[in-house]
Order: sequence, then structure tokens, then C-alpha cells
Amino acid sequence: TQLLEQSPQFLSIQEGENLTVYCNSSSVFSSLQWYRQEPGEGPVLLVTVVTGGEVKKLKRLTFQFGDARKDSSLHITAAQPGDTGLYLCAGAGSGGSNYKLTFGKGTLLTVNP
Amino acid sequence: DARVTQTPRHKVTEMGQEVTMRCQPILGHNTVFWYRQTMMQGLELLAYFRNRAPLDDSGMPKDRFSAEMPDATLATLKIQPSEPRDSAVYFCASGLWEARVAFGSGTRLTVV
Repeated sequence: TQLLEQSPQFLSIQEGENLTVYCNSSSVFSSLQWYRQEPGEGPVLLVTVVTGGEVKKLKRLTFQFGDARKDSSLHITAAQPGDTGLYLCAGAGSGGSNYKLTFGKGTLLTVNP
Repeated sequence: DARVTQTPRHKVTEMGQEVTMRCQPILGHNTVFWYRQTMMQGLELLAYFRNRAPLDDSGMPKDRFSAEMPDATLATLKIQPSEPRDSAVYFCASGLWEARVAFGSGTRLTVV
């Protein structure tokens, strides 16, 4: 059973455009993490959100955790080719396992120059 | 920068052979995870250690997979015997109390 659904699965845009990717679940998580993975490398943690309704900004990236702590979104402003990669969300704390990170399958973003 | 180190980066082996993957977690981290990534399933948790003790290996096929931490600087994942369906990228990750989790670069395993 896939607990975290990410959409869209693929996204190809031009440099300078804005975009939003989504991470949805029917489960409540104690925290949610976003990672970016580049080809041939492991995922790199971008941010952890913990509080329902929380918004965190990391330069041009804005992360939001849903009020009910079941979903999250990542918004990128003025995308650049360096933003290209696989964006993964991962939820922790579902079912009483605080350590168990459940990953979505990711959104593969391509930003064309 | 502190990094999680995995070896080998690539491994091609024949079906039935034993495969051992190694991981050096970041010094001071007390949790270690093993994940497997495939196109179909994404990232799946195989095993989890805290302070070198295995806490959860429910994601591993018990009959052929084993994970150990002989000491704080080494975690191993073994597959014996390997099968073509084990072909995937295997990631080790370490963290401090499940926070600040850092992933290694992975071992790409191909079983032919």
C-alpha cells in the first residue's frame, strides 16, 4: 500500500517558471520531509516540517505542511536548471513508528534552459 | 563535510552468488537505515538500527537478506543467494535520533 502519493509524477518546465508539486496521504504524520535526488546520488534532505499549517522557505523553495498533517506541497519560484532532480516527500510517525520514513515515489522535475 | 560512505558503488553478479554491501555512517550518528530503490516501488525501508541494535527488519526478505552492525563505523547488508529481482539501488542512511538523516550515494546492484 502506497501511503504517500506525489503529483505530478513528471514535470518539465522552462527556466523562470513557477511550479508546485504535491504530496498527499490519508495518514497523519508527525513530521514530513522533502528530499531532492540527483542521478547517481542519494536523496538530500531539504526541509522537515512538523507543525500542521507550517510554512518553511528555503531561498526560492516554499514548503507547506497541511493543517491536518496529511499532506504537503513544495512551490518553486523562478525555477532554474539547477533545480532539476527527483523530489521526494517522506512521512514519519505514521502508525506509531517515529523512525519509519515512508517515501512517495517522487516528482521528476526537469527545468530546461 | 561528513558523509555516509557506501561500497561498492556498482556490483554486477550472477544469480546465486553472495553479495555484501558496506556502509560507513557519519561519526556520531546513532541510527542507520538500509533502503532499496526501484522504479516500480520507489524507496523501501529494509532495516533500521539504533545504537547498533536492529530495531526493525520487517522490510527484508528474511530467507536471503541479513543486516548487521559489527561496530559503530560499519553496517553491512548481505544477500545470499542473490536473485535477478534483487537488482536495485541500495542506500544506507544515518541520522541522529531519526533527524538530519543523510543518505550515501548508493550501491547499484545488478543480478544477472
